[in-house]
Amino acid sequence: DVKVTQSSRYLVKRTGEKVFLECVQDMDHENMFWYRQDPGLGLRLIYFSYDVKMKEKGDIPEGYSVSREKKERFSLILESASTNQTSMYLCASARGGKQFFGPGTRLTVL
Amino acid sequence: AQRVTQPEKLLSVFKGAPVELKCNYSYSGSPELFWYVQYSRQRLQLLLRHISRESIKGFTADLNKGETSFHLKKPFAQEEDSAMYYCALGGGATNKLIFGTGTLLAVQP
Repeated sequence: DVKVTQSSRYLVKRTGEKVFLECVQDMDHENMFWYRQDPGLGLRLIYFSYDVKMKEKGDIPEGYSVSREKKERFSLILESASTNQTSMYLCASARGGKQFFGPGTRLTVL
Repeated sequence: AQRVTQPEKLLSVFKGAPVELKCNYSYSGSPELFWYVQYSRQRLQLLLRHISRESIKGFTADLNKGETSFHLKKPFAQEEDSAMYYCALGGGATNKLIFGTGTLLAVQP
């Protein structure tokens, strides 16, 4: 089974802090994704990466950046956290059309 | 523009009743459609995809290109089917998916 892990289940940060969310997959997938999940809005793609050091903006990249230095690890960075970034963040990796999700990180920005 | 529409935010049915979760899409090419499910306190997981043409946990979904729909159906709902269901549209080398806004299925005893 594909295993996708995320560094934290719950995170509380203050406005203006720099926040790092880490995602690791163990199946040598080239494609990895970061989403935010909000009630009534579904999953919205923030960024995705199709190879090491390769990234593309998704639908809502503003206020976020990403890093993919190794194939198994895809990091989401909030440069200066704001209250409207309070959300559930989901990481996924993919192969063969199927995406495999991590457990999610619930981030609260105070 | 590529889009997935799930018109119902909440669908409440009684145990044993039939279930149909609606999904419509817009896509100019050859679509690949999926249903993902998230049970309480669990991670989002793939339920089924149209190319597999399989039944998972009693659920089926047929791609109707004429109506651009991919509705999820089950003849007799069970309480353990209560979950959030997302329809997703894919296709392409990057494995990117476009998700709908989700439908919360609540099966009452």
